[in-house]
Amino acid sequence: DAGVIQSPRHEVTEMGQEVTLRCKPISGHNSLFWYRQTMMRGLELLIYFNNNVPIDDSGMPEDRFSAKMPNASFSTLKIQPSEPRDSAVYFCASSFVLGEQYFGPGTRLTVT
Amino acid sequence: AQTVTQSQPEMSVQEAETVTLSCTYDTSESDYYLFWYKQPPSRQMILVIRQEAYKQQNATENRFSVNFQKAAKSFSLKISDSQLGDAAMYFCARNGGATNKLIFGTGTLLAVQP
Repeated sequence: DAGVIQSPRHEVTEMGQEVTLRCKPISGHNSLFWYRQTMMRGLELLIYFNNNVPIDDSGMPEDRFSAKMPNASFSTLKIQPSEPRDSAVYFCASSFVLGEQYFGPGTRLTVT
Repeated sequence: AQTVTQSQPEMSVQEAETVTLSCTYDTSESDYYLFWYKQPPSRQMILVIRQEAYKQQNATENRFSVNFQKAAKSFSLKISDSQLGDAAMYFCARNGGATNKLIFGTGTLLAVQP
């Protein structure tokens, strides 16, 4: 298995631009998670899905952030408009039922 | 609050020696899972070991083992025969019982001295 796949690996954009991060979970996993990691706040759970349905989005910082999971093999995290404080590493992870989560390699986002 | 606490921001160990990383947590649930993740400089989050709370036997994965004390809500990680490649940030995490949300500690940065 290829593991969790994220794209792009690096993204540099200007403030005000739309950013879309993509994730392909491990085949057969039914839970998908989006995390953000910064030096100041550590690892934060933004949102997670079970069977493609958003279960808890309480970690989504603002209305500028949105996430979708149109099918079992794809999810997106969108930031519109982006701001410099959104600069972070964004991780996607997937798991099966209550099992351990497997993380993707992350997307390093820089907003200038 | 449901928290996970790692009280050691940094640790250092000599190559081939043994080191123990501490973790305590808070929960009101009786059934849950505990995990240790490793994050090397590549920033990839790698699962090191997991423990089911209902199992009394401590989990072991090669050179990595845990000391799980359920009553004390303690879950420490022991790394034996430390290798240079073990140098990384280590995160302790707990899931939320009925949900799969992971609650992470703040991490312990482990340095391995040659």
